[in-house]
Amino acid sequence: EAQVTQNPRYLITVTGKKLTVTCSQNMNHEYMSWYRQDPGLGLRQIYYSMNVEVTDKGDVPEGYKVSRKEKRNFPLILESPSPNQTSLYFCASSPRTIQETQYFGPGTRLLVL
Amino acid sequence: GQQVMQIPQYQHVQEGEDFTTYCNSSTTLSNIQWYKQRPGGHPVFLIQLVKSGEVKKQKRLTFQFGEAKKNSSLHITATQTTDVGTYFCAGPSGGSYIPTFGRGTSLIVHP
Repeated sequence: EAQVTQNPRYLITVTGKKLTVTCSQNMNHEYMSWYRQDPGLGLRQIYYSMNVEVTDKGDVPEGYKVSRKEKRNFPLILESPSPNQTSLYFCASSPRTIQETQYFGPGTRLLVL
Repeated sequence: GQQVMQIPQYQHVQEGEDFTTYCNSSTTLSNIQWYKQRPGGHPVFLIQLVKSGEVKKQKRLTFQFGEAKKNSSLHITATQTTDVGTYFCAGPSGGSYIPTFGRGTSLIVHP
């Protein structure tokens, strides 16, 4: 089944404790991205990747890192999480560019205390 | 930077009534996509419009892209409880790879 998976689905952590949210897609998509969703603010793009080893900042990249060592995986790294990073995070992929259909993962709900 | 405004933020309707959400961009969009997010779920792609003035239909849903490619609408005829969710529009302007999402319209359908 074609899908985007994220892990973990739920995470409670404390300020400053590094964490990684994994994202994997099995559709051989070139384009992958991370969004955060906050009430009343819609979806805001954090980082995106056009292909392996090619990443770039989205609208709200501060406090986040990403890597794209393999085509299928695009982990989101929070080196020193802070409470304002409490949010619902979605990973998405599309065949080539953002201008094609995006397939979203199930989401990761993060609470930073 | 590009802004995408979506109205209304919330809409309550009685089952069987029609519903429309509007999306307006401050800049010309190369295309516009619509997504639906059910409560507790993730955004699911509905449709993409590319051409100026384009109209597409999916059963009871009608999508329009404005002539100037700066606005779009989604109209649902005779809503059902299964239509409940938040509808988002999204579009990259020009050659940008950063899509701008509207804040969404949450549709609540009362049986």
